[in-house]
Amino acid sequence: EDKVVQSPLSLVVHEGDTVTLNCSYEVTNFRSLLWYKQEKKAPTFLFMLTSSGIEKKSGRLSSILDKKELFSILNITATQTGDSAIYLCAVGAAGNKLTFGGGTRVLVKP
Amino acid sequence: EPEVTQTPSHQVTQMGQEVILRCVPISNHLYFYWYRQILGQKVEFLVSFYNNEISEKSEIFDDQFSVERPDGSNFTLKIRSTKLEDSAMYFCASRRTGEAEYFGPGTRLTVT
Repeated sequence: EDKVVQSPLSLVVHEGDTVTLNCSYEVTNFRSLLWYKQEKKAPTFLFMLTSSGIEKKSGRLSSILDKKELFSILNITATQTGDSAIYLCAVGAAGNKLTFGGGTRVLVKP
Repeated sequence: EPEVTQTPSHQVTQMGQEVILRCVPISNHLYFYWYRQILGQKVEFLVSFYNNEISEKSEIFDDQFSVERPDGSNFTLKIRSTKLEDSAMYFCASRRTGEAEYFGPGTRLTVT
């Protein structure tokens, strides 16, 4: 059975801090790893990673995938209160479905 | 920017009633999905739909569930006889080949 584990479960930081979120996975026929931000309702797409070692970057957010060790990290630098959310990691297998981790809840205090 | 839309945003129904949740995927997307999230739990896959047929379904997606693409734009999830444990947020998602899944805002289903 496909499995995605995220850590930590939650963290509290202050504005300006850097956070690193972890995602490890075990899936059959890996297709892609995706990061989403969930604030109130729908998961909002952040990154899709398919190749090892290539960093994807968008503003203060970046992510990288290690397909040998089966994990990914999501970094947020210079955090702002608007970064407060649940960050979801999901892995797509060769079939069509995504398997989600339990999420990391990030709270950024002013 | 194109978005996945879902209606209604909140549906309250009595146990045993049928509900239909509606989604309009992004127009040039070919793969369509339903996921659900019970309060405080993980997002769970229900079903994927491609080329006018179900391509994969989870064990949650039993005979009480069905999906349909009745026209070129809508994608629906029907629950025939709702149970209390069907209460959850239901998300529709769509994607193009080789790209990420984009999620709609969700329908909160409350079964009383």
